Amino acid sequence: NAGVTQTPKFQVLKTGQSMTLQCAQDMNHEYMSWYRQDPGMGLRLIHYSVGAGITDQGEVPNGYNVSRSTTEDFPLRLLSAAPSQTSVYFCAIEREGREQYFGPGTRLTVT
Amino acid sequence: RKEVEQDPGPFNVPEGATVAFNCTYSNSASQSFFWYRQDCRKEPKLLMSVYSSGNEDGRFTAQLNRASQYISLLIRDSKLSDSATYLCVVNLGSTGRRALTFGSGTRLQVQP
Repeated sequence: NAGVTQTPKFQVLKTGQSMTLQCAQDMNHEYMSWYRQDPGMGLRLIHYSVGAGITDQGEVPNGYNVSRSTTEDFPLRLLSAAPSQTSVYFCAIEREGREQYFGPGTRLTVT
Repeated sequence: RKEVEQDPGPFNVPEGATVAFNCTYSNSASQSFFWYRQDCRKEPKLLMSVYSSGNEDGRFTAQLNRASQYISLLIRDSKLSDSATYLCVVNLGSTGRRALTFGSGTRLQVQP
């Protein structure tokens, strides 16, 4: 997985709960991104970061927060989980502004 | 119109067959293009980049047609292990805001 790790692999939350999805890399890449993947929708960008201390919103940022205090870590926070956030979440690092390498994903179910 | 469109399939082909997928993109300013492969319940993995002059990697050939705004992926001598979903990815290449756009994928099922 090109040095991208994600935890947890699976998570079940009740509506209204909060949690943090972890993403870490050991490749020292500046660009990191969070995507969600839903059936028939493809990958949609939630938030991204171009370096430590810099984050920006993607296509579907509502309900999620991110921070980037170090190059290695890019956690994604769900503030108050909703059933619409049931999805598979992928973290990705980007090599020199070109292709991306994905972590193994977190499968989240919100009941 | 979606920014990146793919036929969702599934494409059901016998082993040994040649199969081709197309992917159309709407933004003529797109600068780089990729094909990813995604196995069921796994993360997408880079299959190959697509270069303007076309490129080949073993049984896989990728081509770009800027005039008609599409890229293609040709798989020769299909193997059972080629069964997967193939994602087309387009990068607008603008600085600052991320501009990678993913297609929804084309599913390939290679049958014995």
